[in-house]
Amino acid sequence: DIQMTQSPSSLSASVGDRVTITCRASHSISGYLNWYQQKPGKAPKLLIYTASNLQSGVPSRFSGSGSGTDFTLTISSLQPEDFATYYCQQSYITPYTFGQGTKLEI
Amino acid sequence: QVQLQESGPGLVKPSETLSLTCTVSGGSLSSYYWNWIRQPPGKGLEWIAYIYYSGSTNYNPSLKSRVTISVDTSKNQFSLILSSVTAADTAIYYCARDLNWFELWGQGTLVTVSS
Repeated sequence: DIQMTQSPSSLSASVGDRVTITCRASHSISGYLNWYQQKPGKAPKLLIYTASNLQSGVPSRFSGSGSGTDFTLTISSLQPEDFATYYCQQSYITPYTFGQGTKLEI
Repeated sequence: QVQLQESGPGLVKPSETLSLTCTVSGGSLSSYYWNWIRQPPGKGLEWIAYIYYSGSTNYNPSLKSRVTISVDTSKNQFSLILSSVTAADTAIYYCARDLNWFELWGQGTLVTVSS
């Protein structure tokens, strides 16, 4: 299985901050990397697909980059509604695997 | 718009079989992969399996011996069966539509394994 490792596991930030979350794959996954946001009691929501493509309806302050084994999710200016847990996920090969999550807190 | 809704028992006894159904409304099962994903309370996400609308399947090897996924296009539903459950199978179970990314999710259903 491809292991996905996110860093940091938790992050304290303030409204207006620029935040970067990193995801590393144990093997190259080309650009098959997706990012999700999950709020308490809710299903995950797709933010970014294939590393850098913004899902329809997602604010442009979210962006993704990377290829191979190293990927980043950047939020350019944190808004109150962005405080949540973020997961990366590889769709290069089954079994699809997720990172352990990054909890973004105030 | 297309919506997914999981249904099934919220409580299953150890060693018994968990059965869940995902109903797709507002759209067709055709031309998509349909997935089950689970999340133990307070923990991360685990992909379980997918099924293509035509019936081809793919399972997570960690669960493969206990999992069956099936599709009923006439009812616009797909289902999950997980046998011989233990407390470790307690989780929120989500169904999701797959375009090589999980772009549409159900709200999830909590299944607790307990006697």
